[in-house]
Amino acid sequence: DGGITQSPKYLFRKEGQNVTLSCEQNLNHDAMYWYRQDPGQGLRLIYYSQIVNDFQKGDIAEGYSVSREKKESFPLTVTSAQKNPTAFYLCASTPAPPGGGMNTEAFFGQGTRLTVV
Amino acid sequence: AQKVTQAQTEISVVEKEDVTLDCVYETRDTTYYLFWYKQPPSGELVFLIRRNSFDEQNEISGRYSWNFQKSTSSFNFTITASQVVDSAVYFCALTENNAGNMLTFGGGTRLMVKP
Repeated sequence: DGGITQSPKYLFRKEGQNVTLSCEQNLNHDAMYWYRQDPGQGLRLIYYSQIVNDFQKGDIAEGYSVSREKKESFPLTVTSAQKNPTAFYLCASTPAPPGGGMNTEAFFGQGTRLTVV
Repeated sequence: AQKVTQAQTEISVVEKEDVTLDCVYETRDTTYYLFWYKQPPSGELVFLIRRNSFDEQNEISGRYSWNFQKSTSSFNFTITASQVVDSAVYFCALTENNAGNMLTFGGGTRLMVKP
């Protein structure tokens, strides 16, 4: 079955530590996205990527970094510069890149819950 | 700037009741797309519907129906004869034509359906 796989499901980070969240898709989608969800709030865009080796900052990119070396993979690193990283992180993909005009629905992974200990 | 508001943070109903989830949006674009997603306890978002700004026809899909009114910038979602399995967080979202597929989400409405 095609879909998006995020791992791990739960992640604990110590103060000052960098951690990387994995996102893999086998939908052959061009665009991939990372969103952050805080309790009682909607999702906010962290980073997005339209094609391999290209990515753009979203609304809340500070303290995060990404890479897009393969079409299938879009890992997110939460750096020590992110002061409040405890949240639920969702990865998504769409068949066409932003600005492509298709405005298709996004497919989401099951998320990673990150907690600072 | 675009904005989506879901004023109801939590709604609790008894099974078989009808329930409407409100969504109000703001955009300066004349071409835009509205979405509803369901987030069950497992966490992933499940796509329910997409509507473009030129199509104001209401839509019904089984027990679900959507009422899109440009005059009031609203895109409300009604569940008829609610069931316990409908319990979830529901998100309304918007993309403007120039923003492609990047979504602006409302804060979500948590629906609890009690048996």
